[in-house]
Amino acid sequence: AQSVTQLGSHVSVSEGALVLLRCNYSSSVPPYLFWYVQYPNQGLQLLLKYTSAATLVKGINGFEAEFKKSETSFHLTKPSAHMSDAAEYFCAVSDQGFNKFYFGSGTKLNVKP
Amino acid sequence: DTGVSQNPRHKITKRGQNVTFRCDPISEHNRLYWYRQTLGQGPEFLTYFQNEAQLEKSRLLSDRFSAERPKGSFSTLEIQRTEQGDSAMYLCASSLTRTGGNTEAFFGQGTRLTVV
Repeated sequence: AQSVTQLGSHVSVSEGALVLLRCNYSSSVPPYLFWYVQYPNQGLQLLLKYTSAATLVKGINGFEAEFKKSETSFHLTKPSAHMSDAAEYFCAVSDQGFNKFYFGSGTKLNVKP
Repeated sequence: DTGVSQNPRHKITKRGQNVTFRCDPISEHNRLYWYRQTLGQGPEFLTYFQNEAQLEKSRLLSDRFSAERPKGSFSTLEIQRTEQGDSAMYLCASSLTRTGGNTEAFFGQGTRLTVV
């Protein structure tokens, strides 16, 4: 069985501050992990993915995430927040066959000027 | 190719009516997924296809829901006798599954269903 828990349904940061969005996963098989971003009334856009290569994964728009097996975590970070980063972020896990994806409940990121 | 396309983008229907949504995946993608997203939640898996074969259905997919992918290209999701609880965003995604590696899922912009 696979599942994802995102801690914090809302996170607020100031522009230029560090962004940290938390994701913990549970998986009975080696997982693939993903972060997606969703803007209002839009679909999901892939930010980055972990597929058992390097544990530190760099994505688009300056985001990165680190896979920590011992902590079963895949937290998303960005050194300096921009106003355009305000959106909802979803962590997801799948098995290595991409048979289906399990999503967390999402974290809404607010960026204050 | 411009990505996964879903139509319509919005649908308002009266309770008890039937609705059908269409998804056109990225052209070479052999996997197609349907997800449902309600307000304040992450997407929930409904079903997926490998080419034209429907390989798995979630228990969320009641007998009022049916999905098809007749020629292994586009897919339709039909909801019969809609209920207010069916109001949600219905997301379609596609991916390419092949020996030696798979692509991640690419999502469409979704169809927002409102049942009144």
